[in-house]
Amino acid sequence: QVYLVESGGGLVKPGGSLRLSCAASGFDFSDSYMNWIRQAPGKGLEWISHINTIGITKYYADSVKGRFTISRDNAKRTVYLQMNSLRVDDTAVYYCAREGEVRQFDFWGQGTLVTVSS
Amino acid sequence: SYVVTQPPSVSVAPGQTARITCGGNNIESKAVHWYQQRPGQAPVLVIYYDGDRPSGIPERFSGSNSGNTATLTISRVEAGDEADYYCQVWDSTNAHYVFAAGTKVTVL
Repeated sequence: QVYLVESGGGLVKPGGSLRLSCAASGFDFSDSYMNWIRQAPGKGLEWISHINTIGITKYYADSVKGRFTISRDNAKRTVYLQMNSLRVDDTAVYYCAREGEVRQFDFWGQGTLVTVSS
Repeated sequence: SYVVTQPPSVSVAPGQTARITCGGNNIESKAVHWYQQRPGQAPVLVIYYDGDRPSGIPERFSGSNSGNTATLTISRVEAGDEADYYCQVWDSTNAHYVFAAGTKVTVL
């Protein structure tokens, strides 16, 4: 059974920082690409970041490039999202998702809520 | 960047067929994936690579992709199919994953 469990969300002021974690189990984590996807309240899904198996190749959406950093620790079976210079419009539920062989997101966590507000 | 578009809403009576479109320039050249998101829940992959079903997804869900339009078809619609549905592709030119805005399916 595949499990992805996000943590680290919460309330933060504009300009602040937060680090999200996603703990994985039930599959070969070190052989899997991982992604972060977010959903603002009442809005659709927005992909924000990808990391390959060894953490060398990373992609970012334009909306977060230069502010967010994705990383992973294969020994801990965990992927991270460091979020700096947070803005009110970064408020969203943040999901981590495993990527399948044809660039699909085949397993998702339950999400962690990030609220950016003064 | 590559853009994919969906109708905002589709309504269907129980037992009938719902079709949700996903439009994009020459989308048939891309692998299209579909997700179902029920209220308050995480998305679930229901179709990948245009028309393949993950394990555990009912055969009532099917997909196709031709020309500038991909389609998710839900046959014999049930009340439990009421959800938001999103299509997604990989934009290799920009190294981005792209979601459409989603379609709300209402079962009448």
